[in-house]
Amino acid sequence: GENVEQHPSTLSVQEGDSAVIKCTYSDSASNYFPWYKQELGKRPQLIIDIRSNVGEKKDQRIAVTLNKTAKHFSLHITETQPEDSAVYFCAAPNFNKFYFGSGTKLNVKP
Amino acid sequence: DTEVTQTPKHLVMGMTNKKSLKCEQHMGHRAMYWYKQKAKKPPELMFVYSYEKLSINESVPSRFSPECPNSSLLNLHLHALQPEDSALYLCASSQLPSGGINEQFFGPGTRLTVL
Repeated sequence: GENVEQHPSTLSVQEGDSAVIKCTYSDSASNYFPWYKQELGKRPQLIIDIRSNVGEKKDQRIAVTLNKTAKHFSLHITETQPEDSAVYFCAAPNFNKFYFGSGTKLNVKP
Repeated sequence: DTEVTQTPKHLVMGMTNKKSLKCEQHMGHRAMYWYKQKAKKPPELMFVYSYEKLSINESVPSRFSPECPNSSLLNLHLHALQPEDSALYLCASSQLPSGGINEQFFGPGTRLTVL
C-alpha cells in the first residue's frame, strides 16, 4: 500500500508563530492530499486539501503546498493560536484507500 | 444533514460477547468506511463499501464482520474479540469519485473496550 511519512511527530510553537508539517508519499498515482485535525477525544476533521493539478492552496491562516515531482506536501499554519493545538494527520489516498501519516501533535503555547 | 452519526459512543464487552456498531449518514454518499484508531496513532483502514458492496477488506480478522444494509447504514458486527481490539472505531463516508477522490466525513467514533 501507500507509504506516507509525516514529520515532525511533535511541534511546539509560541502563539503567533508559524507551524509547518511535512509529508512524503510513495505512490506517484496519488492525486488528492487532505489534511485532518483531530482534537483530543474528537473525530478527525478536514481542514484543507489539495489536488495534484495545483501547487498551493490557501484558506485564511492555513495553506498546503504540493511538490508532485518530489512527492511531498506540507501544511502551513500562520499566526498560530492556542485552539490550533491538536494532532494533525496528512493522507495520500489511492482508489478510495486512505493512508494516513503517523500524525503531528501541535502544541501552541500562549 | 451533513453529519455521520455512530452508536453507541462507548461499548464495553467481554471476549465471548457479540455486539454491533452502527453508523448512519444522510448525505447521499455511496462510499462508507470503517477505521480502527489506537491511542496516539492514525486511523487504520479496515473496510470500504462502494454502492453497498464490500470493495476493500484490509486483511481484517473474521471476528470483525461488516454489513451495509442500505446506502445510509453501515454496521460492524463484533464477535469473540480480544483485549487488543480495544480502540476507537471510526466510520466515514464520501461521495464516490467522478474523476478524483473526495473528502471523507468522519463520525464521532465508538470507544470500544474488550475485557
